[in-house]
Amino acid sequence: EPEVTQTPSHQVTQMGQEVILRCVPISNHLYFYWYRQILGQKVEFLVSFYNNEISEKSEIFDDQFSVERPDGSNFTLKIRSTKLEDSAMYFCASSGLAGYNEQFFGPGTRLTVL
Amino acid sequence: GENVEQHPSTLSVQEGDSAVIKCTYSDSASNYFPWYKQELGKRPQLIIDIRSNVGEKKDQRIAVTLNKTAKHFSLHITETQPEDSAVYFCAASPYGGATNKLIFGTGTLLAVQP
Repeated sequence: EPEVTQTPSHQVTQMGQEVILRCVPISNHLYFYWYRQILGQKVEFLVSFYNNEISEKSEIFDDQFSVERPDGSNFTLKIRSTKLEDSAMYFCASSGLAGYNEQFFGPGTRLTVL
Repeated sequence: GENVEQHPSTLSVQEGDSAVIKCTYSDSASNYFPWYKQELGKRPQLIIDIRSNVGEKKDQRIAVTLNKTAKHFSLHITETQPEDSAVYFCAASPYGGATNKLIFGTGTLLAVQP
């Protein structure tokens, strides 16, 4: 069964550094998402992406964040200048056709900002 | 703003008993309600979902009920087993359109005692 994959599984970085988190959504899916989960808390929506552009973003997704689909398979989340409070698990998700909302999550990238 | 409340935050049951987790949502435009199971350190896994044109859906030991008027939906697990122990998240999403973001509840830690 196809799955969403993410790399790396764990990223440690210094405050102020840039990080890029990578995701490979399920191949025939059209909608892509990033969520984050601070340890012990709920999953929070960051951004949705469709047709090569952002369709919606949350308040968390400020100017430090950007997303890109650089080719036909990868979907990336960039954090330009990381802060301590960016430490969290970041999940990528994808879903298929419009009107079919089932979202399938990747295994996550644990980001630790020191 | 959009919000999903979830209760209880923790639930301990004896193996074989039933477990019920309840959620309420604020956005009346929400039409899709998935439930995710998350084991420690792993990705959220979709276990069941329901759309607003249905009042109840069942899949083996798991059922979900929806009351659109009251903006409530619930997860019912019967004949619980130790492997059901996990954190369960409800979520709500508007139906269709370019944005299918999920708004998650705060999670319920279910512990099934053997």
